[in-house]
Amino acid sequence: QSALTQPPSASGSPGQSVTISCTGSSSDVGVYDYVSWYQHHPGKAPKLIIYEVTKRPSGVSDRFSGSKSGNTASLTVSGLQTDDEADYYCSSHAGGNNFIIFGGGTKLTVL
Amino acid sequence: QEQLVESGGGVVHPGGSLRISCVASGFSFRSYGMYWVRQAPGKGPEWLAFIRSGGIDIFYAPSVKGRFIISRDDSESRLFLEMNGLGPQDTATYHCARDSFYFGPDPWGPGTLVTVSS
Repeated sequence: QSALTQPPSASGSPGQSVTISCTGSSSDVGVYDYVSWYQHHPGKAPKLIIYEVTKRPSGVSDRFSGSKSGNTASLTVSGLQTDDEADYYCSSHAGGNNFIIFGGGTKLTVL
Repeated sequence: QEQLVESGGGVVHPGGSLRISCVASGFSFRSYGMYWVRQAPGKGPEWLAFIRSGGIDIFYAPSVKGRFIISRDDSESRLFLEMNGLGPQDTATYHCARDSFYFGPDPWGPGTLVTVSS
């Protein structure tokens, strides 16, 4: 069982927005602003799209945005495109030797 | 173009050992810390090990501490993971990734598949 909880699936139509949640605890998401999000198209390398809760690496579309409230972080994908269909994973630092813990992933379907 | 490519995966018997590697290109490998992360079929990723630039500081996840060894050869821009005492629970795709942001590995390699089976 993954340490962070994500919904197994999410969906939306092209042009719409969808938000994916990532629930941790007061030992990880709730205390550290080191939440990241990754996009993974099967067979390819996972791609970092959000780091430190809200920041986007260079080259990542501003249609991707991150936020956090309490023990839950969220990824919002706006203006859905067919290429956004992928698996999305969250991660958080959890202190001490728990460098990074991940969520179980959310499969985003663009209808 | 910054790139990571893993190799060395394959089928290994339970209790066996395997050494996988990752070659980096397009950036100054020696300047970065590096991660190994694995993903078992149908599950989320799992962080395994981290080695800082210079190779002095090394950290392991509890699930692999004492069985896996991370190392690096900066002269060849290579990262290694030596895996011992492998069991079926170690079956996964193994990715290397660069420490680019605080606890946000990027980029990742496409991974190499390790299957532990008799």
